[in-house]
Amino acid sequence: QVQLQESGPGLVKPSQTLSLTCTVSGGSISSGSYYWSWIRQPAGKGLEWIGRIYTSGSTNYNPSLKSRVTISVDTSKNQFSLKLSSVTAADTAVYYCARGGFWSGYFDYWGQGTLVTVSS
Amino acid sequence: QPVLTQPPSASASLGASVTLTCTLSSGYSNYKVDWYQQRPGKGPRFVMRVGTGGIVGSKGDGIPDRFSVLGSGLNRYLTIKNIQEEDESDYHCGADHGSGSNFVKVFGGGTKLTVL
Repeated sequence: QVQLQESGPGLVKPSQTLSLTCTVSGGSISSGSYYWSWIRQPAGKGLEWIGRIYTSGSTNYNPSLKSRVTISVDTSKNQFSLKLSSVTAADTAVYYCARGGFWSGYFDYWGQGTLVTVSS
Repeated sequence: QPVLTQPPSASASLGASVTLTCTLSSGYSNYKVDWYQQRPGKGPRFVMRVGTGGIVGSKGDGIPDRFSVLGSGLNRYLTIKNIQEEDESDYHCGADHGSGSNFVKVFGGGTKLTVL
């Protein structure tokens, strides 16, 4: 059973960089059949796709966040990471990592989510 | 890219049926949509994908037969029959747009389903 687990600071100061890591267990992140994505959800609101990475390192980002986002992968640790720079209170949200099928496109496994609050 | 619109809330009595709607913006009538269920305090769970011809592929793991989908025009529907307490959740729809370097994933605002 594939499992994803987000980790990182729960509190980030405004203008700083938010950094999160997703650790994948029960399967190899190097499998060529999947993309690895970050999605976030502000309290009481809908889901917002942040971006995704393929094991080759190829990435796609949400155009509204593209200038501030970097997603990277570390196959040796079976992890992928998110960096979001110049954060403001509007970036406060629960952040999820998820696995998406290369051919199917949908997210079949999700992490439990981690709350990141941007506040001084 | 498409905009996905969902009513913010819906309700149904225990044992009844309810249909949730996800509406694609004009010009995107051939798009498929993924439905996700999100129980309170939990991460989303894939329900199934729907196009104009109905379900695409298979249901998500553990999704009961009470859940079904239809697609018509710009609308993508998720119907839940014989509603149970555990169906009380937020339901999100999402769609893929573009390919290669232009790929984007978009979501609707979600519908909160209350079981009465």
